[in-house]
Amino acid sequence: DGGITQSPKYLFRKEGQNVTLSCEQNLNHDAMYWYRQDPGQGLRLIYYSQIVNDFQKGDIAEGYSVSREKKESFPLTVTSAQKNPTAFYLCASSLTGGANEKLFFGSGTQLSVL
Amino acid sequence: QQQVKQSPQSLIVQKGGISIINCAYENTAFDYFPWYQQFPGKGPALLIAIRPDVSEKKEGRFTISFNKSAKQFSLHIMDSQPGDSATYFCAASYSGTYKYIFGTGTRLKVLA
Repeated sequence: DGGITQSPKYLFRKEGQNVTLSCEQNLNHDAMYWYRQDPGQGLRLIYYSQIVNDFQKGDIAEGYSVSREKKESFPLTVTSAQKNPTAFYLCASSLTGGANEKLFFGSGTQLSVL
Repeated sequence: QQQVKQSPQSLIVQKGGISIINCAYENTAFDYFPWYQQFPGKGPALLIAIRPDVSEKKEGRFTISFNKSAKQFSLHIMDSQPGDSATYFCAASYSGTYKYIFGTGTRLKVLA
């Protein structure tokens, strides 16, 4: 089945620790995204990549980093600089990253702070 | 100007009733308005979308009504079912950008 796989489903971070969330897609999509979801808030864009080896900051990129070494993979690192990391993280993809394209989402990773 | 305001925050409807969720925007450059449905512990999935050149779009029990002059659009779920219980997000975007502006979500519960 084609889709987006996020892992792990749950992740716990200790203070001062960097953690990496995995996102893999087999849809052959060019564009991939990371969103953060907090209760009572809409989805907020963290990072966006339209092509391998290129990515752009979204609205809330501070404290996060990404890489795009392969078309199918777009891992997100939550660094120790992110002081409020507890949230539900969603990875998404779209065909080319053009305007008004359908977003395909993974099932998310719930990150909590110990 | 980039906000999309969504209401209500939560909604409880009896089985068979009509669920109505409203969204309002300010940026007149927006030209694409999708609705996403999210079940607990899952990612959102596109439900239905509309462009401002039409006032209504219907897909099965789901209808988007669009009022360009009022800068408002709404999702109507007819004959609501317990399986429709989910969080619904409206969104907006415009040509020339990959960015979506999402509403804050509406948690719908349909009572059996």
